[in-house]
Amino acid sequence: LAKTTQPISMDSYEGQEVNITCSHNNIATNDYITWYQQFPSQGPRFIIQGYKTKVTNEVASLFIPADRKSSTLSLPRVSLSDTAVYYCLVGDMRDPGGYNKLIFGAGTRLAVHP
Amino acid sequence: DTEVTQTPKHLVMGMTNKKSLKCEQHMGHRAMYWYKQKAKKPPELMFVYSYEKLSINESVPSRFSPECPNSSLLNLHLHALQPEDSALYLCASSQEGQGNTGELFFGEGSRLTVL
Repeated sequence: LAKTTQPISMDSYEGQEVNITCSHNNIATNDYITWYQQFPSQGPRFIIQGYKTKVTNEVASLFIPADRKSSTLSLPRVSLSDTAVYYCLVGDMRDPGGYNKLIFGAGTRLAVHP
Repeated sequence: DTEVTQTPKHLVMGMTNKKSLKCEQHMGHRAMYWYKQKAKKPPELMFVYSYEKLSINESVPSRFSPECPNSSLLNLHLHALQPEDSALYLCASSQEGQGNTGELFFGEGSRLTVL
């Protein structure tokens, strides 16, 4: 399984764009990159997933370079409510067993200040 | 319905007690998971069920006993736990096969305290 490395913590201010980078040097050909958000005492929540290039949805963008050894989650104009832990996961969504053995890395604690 | 429901939300038990955590989903997902999360740590995978069969046991001590009675329900039976087992226990589900997007749907968790 591909191991991921993220910054332990980041600080930002309301209205700024936040970019969180995840390293996954031994990503496999079939692996997808998925990001989750977790608030205290709640379960993680899916944010975005991608395989290559750029993916955008209503809450975030995910940038993946051609070598796929890293990825960057971009949160535009953060607010106080974006204060959370962000996890980058790498795994094969087409596991023959039909399930996902997704292992969480340490995550990045994002603190958004007024 | 895109929810995974876990009960109870909070549980306090002694080391000699037997209790169970319950998880339910009605999204038609055929993979269900138990994760354990200690304070300020990432979730750790414990068990994976695929089509009601145990597919992964991440070397979890036998005092934790999972059960999947049907495709919508997942239980975690607890017996003779230790204080270090106190944690947030998270249940998750996902689709299988060609519908598998890899997205895990998590419940809110059950906060367990072992005295």
